[in-house]
Amino acid sequence: GAVVSQHPSRVICKSGTSVKIECRSLDFQATTMFWYRQFPKKSLMLMATSNEGSKATYEQGVEKDKFLINHASLTLSTLTVTSAHPEDSSFYICSARDKNRGDTEAFFGQGTRLTVV
Amino acid sequence: RKEVEQDPGPFNVPEGATVAFNCTYSNSASQSFFWYRQDCRKEPKLLMSVYSSGNEDGRFTAQLNRASQYISLLIRDSKLSDSATYLCVVNRWRALTFGSGTRLQVQP
Repeated sequence: GAVVSQHPSRVICKSGTSVKIECRSLDFQATTMFWYRQFPKKSLMLMATSNEGSKATYEQGVEKDKFLINHASLTLSTLTVTSAHPEDSSFYICSARDKNRGDTEAFFGQGTRLTVV
Repeated sequence: RKEVEQDPGPFNVPEGATVAFNCTYSNSASQSFFWYRQDCRKEPKLLMSVYSSGNEDGRFTAQLNRASQYISLLIRDSKLSDSATYLCVVNRWRALTFGSGTRLQVQP
């Protein structure tokens, strides 16, 4: 199957700093990528839809100025958590679909475990 | 009401048992349906798509009832390696909506 690579897999940062997470589709083009957040023992919650070459679409309740998304190419989307606080500590995961395969399987990155201290 | 609802479990079953998970979704405009499996601290992985006609993949059988907005997953002859959280997933337009997952623990 297609491969989505997410980096870093784990990051610890200090309160007030910013953290950038990268999501790359390695062997296919993804015009749309999705960013999710998962708290312990909870479901994955869609944060935003990242559109190549245009602004991201954020879900209700997600602060766009806090979670900056950039989708500069067909293979790369980045999520920057700005001025991180301990409550931002979570598992962040991206997913993408191969536009040439239609709306079937979504491929997930390995996830990023963010801990803000 | 949550868009996708699942019994969180856990389901504790012995090896070899048959176990069934159910899921309901609220949006009748949902277009496609999946079961994903998620191991602890890992990303979700597609287990199988779900079709109205029902579909089977080895020990796994999935069923969709659009009229009742209900999805099921049956696992036969459970293995220890089946222990995981099973996520009911619904697609509308491009993004996936996940249920909270049902945890399965298969015991020796």
